[in-house]
Amino acid sequence: NAGVTQTPKFRILKIGQSMTLQCTQDMNHNYMYWYRQDPGMGLKLIYYSVGAGITDKGEVPNGYNVSRSTTEDFPLRLELAAPSQTSVYFCASSPPSAGQEYFGPGTRLTVT
Amino acid sequence: AQSVTQPDIHITVSEGASLELRCNYSYGATPYLFWYVQSPGQGLQLLLKYFSGDTLVQGIKGFEAEFKRSQSSFNLRKPSVHWSDAAEYFCAVGGEGSYIPTFGRGTSLIVHP
Repeated sequence: NAGVTQTPKFRILKIGQSMTLQCTQDMNHNYMYWYRQDPGMGLKLIYYSVGAGITDKGEVPNGYNVSRSTTEDFPLRLELAAPSQTSVYFCASSPPSAGQEYFGPGTRLTVT
Repeated sequence: AQSVTQPDIHITVSEGASLELRCNYSYGATPYLFWYVQSPGQGLQLLLKYFSGDTLVQGIKGFEAEFKRSQSSFNLRKPSVHWSDAAEYFCAVGGEGSYIPTFGRGTSLIVHP
């Protein structure tokens, strides 16, 4: 199993541009999550999904959108990039319980 | 609401010394507790977890943690630290019916030779 994969690994955006961060898992997990990690701030939950077709906001959803058309994929969309969205983004998945999360390697995004 | 507190932002130890990282949680029911490690530039990897049963749990890389319900704590320990243990450590809490674990802010471990 590849586990959780994320693309791209790095990206530089100009203010106002848009992009999609890709996340795929091959473990047939129902639950998937998007986090952002800023220095000294731990992980902040952006959006999560408990299954295909079902998504919900986390702690910091503003400026982001998600979709979940399949069990495997959970892309995160930034529509109008702002410098405040400069961060490292992690996707994670877990089986249907409050169990262990499996994390992707992260995407480092810089908005200038 | 569930929460996790990691009171130490940074911990510095000498290689070979023992280590204890603190974690206190708040959860209304029986908690599921986790410790994750994040090496520089990497994602988070599970070290160990507690769901039920024996309150002393063993994890990977020689780590262990003890669940103390009376103190709402789940401290991480290692008897002898190696330079490769330098990383960020995160404690997390979840539970039955709660599919969104809550993470602490993390503790950065620095290991001196």
